[in-house]
Amino acid sequence: QSALTQPPSASGSPGQSVTISCTGTSSDVGGYNSVSWYQQHPGKAPKLMIYDVNKRPSGVPDRFSGSKSGNTASLTVSGLQAEDEADYYCSSYAGNNNLLFGGGTKLTVL
Amino acid sequence: QVQLVESGGGVVQPGRSLRLSCAASGFTFSSYGMHWVRQAPGKGLDWVAVISYDGSNKYYADSVKGRFTISRDNSKNTLYLQMNSLRAEDTAVYYCAKDNGYYDSGGNYRGYYYFGMDVWGQGTTVTVSS
Repeated sequence: QSALTQPPSASGSPGQSVTISCTGTSSDVGGYNSVSWYQQHPGKAPKLMIYDVNKRPSGVPDRFSGSKSGNTASLTVSGLQAEDEADYYCSSYAGNNNLLFGGGTKLTVL
Repeated sequence: QVQLVESGGGVVQPGRSLRLSCAASGFTFSSYGMHWVRQAPGKGLDWVAVISYDGSNKYYADSVKGRFTISRDNSKNTLYLQMNSLRAEDTAVYYCAKDNGYYDSGGNYRGYYYFGMDVWGQGTTVTVSS
């Protein structure tokens, strides 16, 4: 199965909002409410930011939110801050005991 | 604090084997599913395998099925990944990660694919090259 599709890059100025998309199919993103989002700074391990489409783990700022419509999930970062600059990856259950990740989006804070 | 520490990475020739370990601390290791995820140089994340909290169920990505084996020793709080018949395309940083599952009111574990991975190790590098 192919990776989920994310835009390679996204950007925004401090204080602005930016939305990153994650497009799959009815066999993965569209078929399950099991989308997660991860933040990864250079040379660091990924960090869980969103799970179950729109739930935030303890400690994740409420500036981060998730949603889903059809086969596309989205991560929105509001009130952009310099420390939000990182790579972001989505993941989704794809059935048959398989988990897919997106190709990643590099978020730049201008 | 909650921590995962991988070890066992290195440089290996194509066709050879390597075993990775992941030592867990700060949480009840035996209560959670565990994953291996890898990241090739300059590339994105790639799910490798998952094992249930008791080791009874194991599932693999198609790319490693038949070559890699995930296992765990709950008495040692340690997760393993045995990698055989290694290929150049297996070159990556390998992360172990704790499943963000939970137990429902009936005592059944809910997770593995649905709630993400909430604790990650720092990764161990595997390079497959002649």
